[in-house]
Amino acid sequence: AQSVTQPDIHITVSEGASLELRCNYSYGATPYLFWYVQSPGQGLQLLLKYFSGDTLVQGIKGFEAEFKRSQSSFNLRKPSVHWSDAAEYFCAVALEYGNKLVFGAGTILRVKS
Amino acid sequence: NAGVTQTPKFRILKIGQSMTLQCTQDMNHNYMYWYRQDPGMGLKLIYYSVGAGITDKGEVPNGYNVSRSTTEDFPLRLELAAPSQTSVYFCASSYPGQGTGYSNQPQHFGDGTRLSIL
Repeated sequence: AQSVTQPDIHITVSEGASLELRCNYSYGATPYLFWYVQSPGQGLQLLLKYFSGDTLVQGIKGFEAEFKRSQSSFNLRKPSVHWSDAAEYFCAVALEYGNKLVFGAGTILRVKS
Repeated sequence: NAGVTQTPKFRILKIGQSMTLQCTQDMNHNYMYWYRQDPGMGLKLIYYSVGAGITDKGEVPNGYNVSRSTTEDFPLRLELAAPSQTSVYFCASSYPGQGTGYSNQPQHFGDGTRLSIL
């Protein structure tokens, strides 16, 4: 069955430090992959997506992610974290028919000053 | 452009009561979805719809029902509320893909309904 694993439940980084959030997926075909961010009390906002082409994709708010087929990974990165980046981040894979999403459990990012 | 609108934002129910969570979108999206979010579990798909009159079960459909009479609206019905249905519910919508519906189109989410059942 298709699945998405986010190994880190919580991550704390200092403001200005670099960030990498891990995501591994299990899916037989070429995946369509997404990263969403959720601020407290809000819905999910799309950060970026990958479906083909360049394996390094750029998103909003200075985020990027790299698709590595050999490692079944789609890790999210940001070179310098801002306090406003504190939120929960979800990796997801889209399934065939109906564009259904399978989500990882999420990673909560805390930013310390 | 309102996007995806969910009502109510908060609700407390007693065990055995029923209620309908409302969801409407103004983006003319064919596809709509209901998810529930529980701490540490991510989002789980309850039901989805690929167009008016067409609905299908997701991963966790038990205890819920849906209907899709218009493109804009996709209400979620809880008939006999149980404590296990305490959760945050999100509605989402997206454009369809080409061909069979496999799509790279992102889903757009509402702000959620926080439901407690006591």
